[in-house]
Amino acid sequence: GAVVSQHPSRVICKSGTSVKIECRSLDFQATTMFWYRQFPKQSLMLMATSNEGSKATYEQGVEKDKFLINHASLTLSTLTVTSAHPEDSSFYICSARDLLTEENYGYTFGSGTRLTVV
Amino acid sequence: AQKITQTQPGMFVQEKEAVTLDCTYDTSDQSYGLFWYKQPSSGEMIFLIYQGSYDEQNATEGRYSLNFQKARKSANLVISASQLGDSAMYFCAMRPRGSTLGRLYFGRGTQLTVWP
Repeated sequence: GAVVSQHPSRVICKSGTSVKIECRSLDFQATTMFWYRQFPKQSLMLMATSNEGSKATYEQGVEKDKFLINHASLTLSTLTVTSAHPEDSSFYICSARDLLTEENYGYTFGSGTRLTVV
Repeated sequence: AQKITQTQPGMFVQEKEAVTLDCTYDTSDQSYGLFWYKQPSSGEMIFLIYQGSYDEQNATEGRYSLNFQKARKSANLVISASQLGDSAMYFCAMRPRGSTLGRLYFGRGTQLTVWP
C-alpha cells in the first residue's frame, strides 16, 4: 500500500543549527505534500502546502525563511528548520496526497519527526 | 470558514464496551469528505474511516462505524468492543470540496483511554 517514509523519526540538535526532515513517498507520486506541526496533546497545525516543482504556500504566521520546504520531485519533499531554537521543538509530520489513489482516500501520513532543540 | 469541533478532550471506556467520540463540523460546501484518524503515543496518524457527504449509508470499517447526521452536521465515531490497544488520540477531519489543494481541517482531538 501507499507509504510515506519520514526521516529522521527523532532528532536532537543544538540551538542555531539547521535540521532537515525528509518525506519520501514509496510506490506512488505525491502530487501535494502537507507539512504539519503538533504540540503535545494538541491538534495538527498546518504549516505549509507544497506541489511538486512549485513554491510552497505557507499558512499565516509561519515564517517561510525559517521553515524551508522543497518539493523538487513527486516522491520527495523536505522541511528544513533553519537556525533552530528551543521553541521550535515539536512534532513535525507530513502528509502526501496522491490524486490517483483511493487508498486512505488519498492521504498518506509519514510517521512523524520529534525535534528537540537544546 | 471551515471548522471541526470535538468537544470531548478525554473519554474513558471499559474494555469490550462501545464508545462514541463526538465530532461536529461547519462548512458552506455542499460536497465534502469526513475522516477519522487514530494517533497512538508513537505519533503516527492511522486512517480509520471515511464518509462522503453524499453517501446515503453510514460508513463502517470493522469495529469502527461513523454515525453521520448531515442535517445536524455531526459525524460521530463509534468504536464497538473496545480494546486496550484503542487507547490513543482520535482526530476528526474534513475536506471541503472547495479546499485548496485538498487540505484537511482537523478537530482538536479526543484522548481515549480504555481500561481493563
